[in-house]
Amino acid sequence: AQTVTQSQPEMSVQEAETVTLSCTYDTSESDYYLFWYKQPPSRQMILVIRQEAYKQQNATENRFSVNFQKAAKSFSLKISDSQLGDAAMYFCAYLYTNFGNEKLTFGTGTRLTIIP
Amino acid sequence: EPEVTQTPSHQVTQMGQEVILRCVPISNHLYFYWYRQILGQKVEFLVSFYNNEISEKSEIFDDQFSVERPDGSNFTLKIRSTKLEDSAMYFCASSKGWGGQAFFGQGTRLTVV
Repeated sequence: AQTVTQSQPEMSVQEAETVTLSCTYDTSESDYYLFWYKQPPSRQMILVIRQEAYKQQNATENRFSVNFQKAAKSFSLKISDSQLGDAAMYFCAYLYTNFGNEKLTFGTGTRLTIIP
Repeated sequence: EPEVTQTPSHQVTQMGQEVILRCVPISNHLYFYWYRQILGQKVEFLVSFYNNEISEKSEIFDDQFSVERPDGSNFTLKIRSTKLEDSAMYFCASSKGWGGQAFFGQGTRLTVV
């Protein structure tokens, strides 16, 4: 069974600084997808960034980028120029897709605090 | 931008009662899901639905749970006889499949008393 581990239950960063959230996963598959979701206090799940495992290039989305190390099964999220609105719970998630059969497996989350 | 909508936003029910949580997925999506998040814990997969049938379900999704897509637009989760431990945030999600982004609704907070 696939597992996703987020070893940092809480992180904090000064506004405008850079922070990196860690995620590791375990799978025997070679083709899969990885995601970071943000959950603000409203508890809505918002997609931050998506990575396809067969792509070596790291995904970027404005201030958000990932460091995807497939051999190490590591998928960290870097937030540059942190803003107050980035404060939220961040979940790393793994998706293996088999025709007609898809599900996300989430980590336990990292609560990110932005210090003004 | 298209979105997944869930109703109600908050439901309070007595233990043993039946509840139905409703969702309207994005119209051209093919995969539909229910996830659950107990307060302070991680998001857990309950069930996925594709081609008008359950494609996968977790151990949590026992006989008291059922899903239905009654009219081609709504997607419902029924809990037949609620227990205190069913209190959680329930998220509906939909996707086009094949690793595409899953779009989540805003959630229904279920409180069983």
